[in-house]
Amino acid sequence: GAGVSQSPRYKVAKRGQDVALRCDPISGHVSLFWYQQALGQGPEFLTYFQNEAQLDKSGLPSDRFFAERPEGSVSTLKIQRTQQEDSAVYLCASSLPRGGGAMGNTIYFGEGSWLTVV
Amino acid sequence: QKEVEQDPGPLSVPEGAIVSLNCTYSNSAFQYFMWYRQYSRKGPELLMYTYSSGNKEDGRFTAQVDKSSKYISLFIRDSQPSDSATYLCAMRGYNFNKFYFGSGTKLNVKP
Repeated sequence: GAGVSQSPRYKVAKRGQDVALRCDPISGHVSLFWYQQALGQGPEFLTYFQNEAQLDKSGLPSDRFFAERPEGSVSTLKIQRTQQEDSAVYLCASSLPRGGGAMGNTIYFGEGSWLTVV
Repeated sequence: QKEVEQDPGPLSVPEGAIVSLNCTYSNSAFQYFMWYRQYSRKGPELLMYTYSSGNKEDGRFTAQVDKSSKYISLFIRDSQPSDSATYLCAMRGYNFNKFYFGSGTKLNVKP
């Protein structure tokens, strides 16, 4: 596709429900990132994939959060037993090169999945 | 204390004004400095990036980095109503795969 595609765009979950958020990166992009953006805040790093390898998951806030990219393209962010503090926009981004160096600055964001936990 | 600090605004200016947006940071390992623009209910889009200290110009936009002061700026000349958005600064080190974002400054350019 032309850009990074995320689904669903909007999700309302009851507290305790599990959710899965999908990201389709730009075709051929090696690097894929997940960020969490709370209302009125900047994006906060969650995790990073290079192809299918999850190289950095230091930003995942708890073991309820899990991300995968099994074939090196589509990625899914799963949140188990959702809590109200999980309400945020979840942004996926991708870039062609591996991280590092000047080429790693141009990352393309999707429009985000807006999660509200009630 | 957050690694990147940014005044949230909002900042309201008349059309044609020069806008100055700023961020400070604490991590001396940061080497790449970026500015993103985010319209309401959209993902951030990259405006420009700068490596290390210095200035970079792109049309009406100028980015400045002062590593000695740990201070970066984005200037917008001849501001337009279409520039109304939230502006996010972001930065990273050479080998880092994570970007550190400021909280964003909301800009409103009045016609």
